[in-house]
Amino acid sequence: AQSVTQLDSHVSVSEGTPVLLRCNYSSSYSPSLFWYVQHPNKGLQLLLKYTSAATLVKGINGFEAEFKKSETSFHLTKPSAHMSDAAEYFCVVSDYGSSNTGKLIFGQGTTLQVKP
Amino acid sequence: SAVISQKPSRDICQRGTSLTIQCQVDSQVTMMFWYRQQPGQSLTLIATANQGSEATYESGFVIDKFPISRPNLTFSTLTVSNMSPEDSSIYLCSVEISNGYTFGSGTRLTVV
Repeated sequence: AQSVTQLDSHVSVSEGTPVLLRCNYSSSYSPSLFWYVQHPNKGLQLLLKYTSAATLVKGINGFEAEFKKSETSFHLTKPSAHMSDAAEYFCVVSDYGSSNTGKLIFGQGTTLQVKP
Repeated sequence: SAVISQKPSRDICQRGTSLTIQCQVDSQVTMMFWYRQQPGQSLTLIATANQGSEATYESGFVIDKFPISRPNLTFSTLTVSNMSPEDSSIYLCSVEISNGYTFGSGTRLTVV
């Protein structure tokens, strides 16, 4: 069965410092992995997607994530945090190899706080 | 990529009543997905809706409580039936696009 574990429920950084949001996954098939962001009272926005084309995926707003199969990880990073990055971040896995094609499984979310 | 219009954006409902949520997509899609986000929680898939067939429900969700319609390839509804305060959540629909999945803006439901 597929699963996603976000290792930190809350991350706090200072503006201008690097961001690291950690995600481990479990999948029986070749997974598609995503990071989504949800700002307060806003909808979900796709940051980036991994689908085996390249292990380092660049997304919007300066975010990127590296797929490491040996570690079953897909951590999200950004070199320099902005105040506007404060939001809830979800690591998501989609399983295309089972009967539940296209089903998304969400991690529990990481709240990113950015301090001035 | 597809754009989803979801309504209502929010509602406050009396317990025991039902609410129907609508999602309209600006292009034809094979599958539409319905999710629930309980307060302070992550998203959980309720069901997958294919046009022309019955929806497929995830464990813990049943058709009598969450009936779904999918009359064509651009539209779907989710009804939350016989509501209780525990149904207070954000409900979202989603479709697959070329680079991932896009979501409706959500329906924030409060049951009193």
